[in-house]
Amino acid sequence: NAGVTQTPKFRVLKTGQSMTLLCAQDMNHEYMYWYRQDPGMGLRLIHYSVGEGTTAKGEVPDGYNVSRLKKQNFLLGLESAAPSQTSVYFCASRGLAGTKGEQFFGPGTRLTVL
Amino acid sequence: SQELEQSPQSLIVQEGKNLTINCTSSKTLYGLYWYKQKYGEGLIFLMMLQKGGEEKSHEKITAKLDEKKQQSSLHITASQPSHAGIYLCGADLSGGYQKVTFGTGTKLQVIP
Repeated sequence: NAGVTQTPKFRVLKTGQSMTLLCAQDMNHEYMYWYRQDPGMGLRLIHYSVGEGTTAKGEVPDGYNVSRLKKQNFLLGLESAAPSQTSVYFCASRGLAGTKGEQFFGPGTRLTVL
Repeated sequence: SQELEQSPQSLIVQEGKNLTINCTSSKTLYGLYWYKQKYGEGLIFLMMLQKGGEEKSHEKITAKLDEKKQQSSLHITASQPSHAGIYLCGADLSGGYQKVTFGTGTKLQVIP
């Protein structure tokens, strides 16, 4: 039982390049989330999903796209990376059972855009 | 402006001392979560509060949600170096229990 895993752990991009971050969970959770964490800003929600095939915008969605084709995976895409997207990205998941319950977080992806 | 304010932003305490971290909102906190993050790692869930006046404890950490459900405090008794890290509060501010808004975090250092 791996919980929530994120791929890759580190990445360096040049401005304008694209990439996809993968989040996978093996807990059969309905809800999945992508956050970014920047110094002094806490965690900010980028996009989230309440079930397979659904996505919704969070607090800071511009410049990112997401897809949830399979229940266990939630992909975050950057089509044209910008230096402002340098951040640590966290994925999280939460089950429906105990709908008010905790989110389980992955270890994070550290992204640098030059 | 930040919907969920945490204070202080950082804290340095001597081992054995008590400390309190606060989390305040102008909106009702339908569900209030406390997480701890060690540097370079993901967040670890500590506890969740829902009812006004509720208090929960886990080892030497106690969290309370005030009666009005707009403020929560996290209290650590007899701090240890293992308590060091970043503490974040998160809350459901809409009542839909779909997403959580997080505070900016409090960085805690414990000096032996």
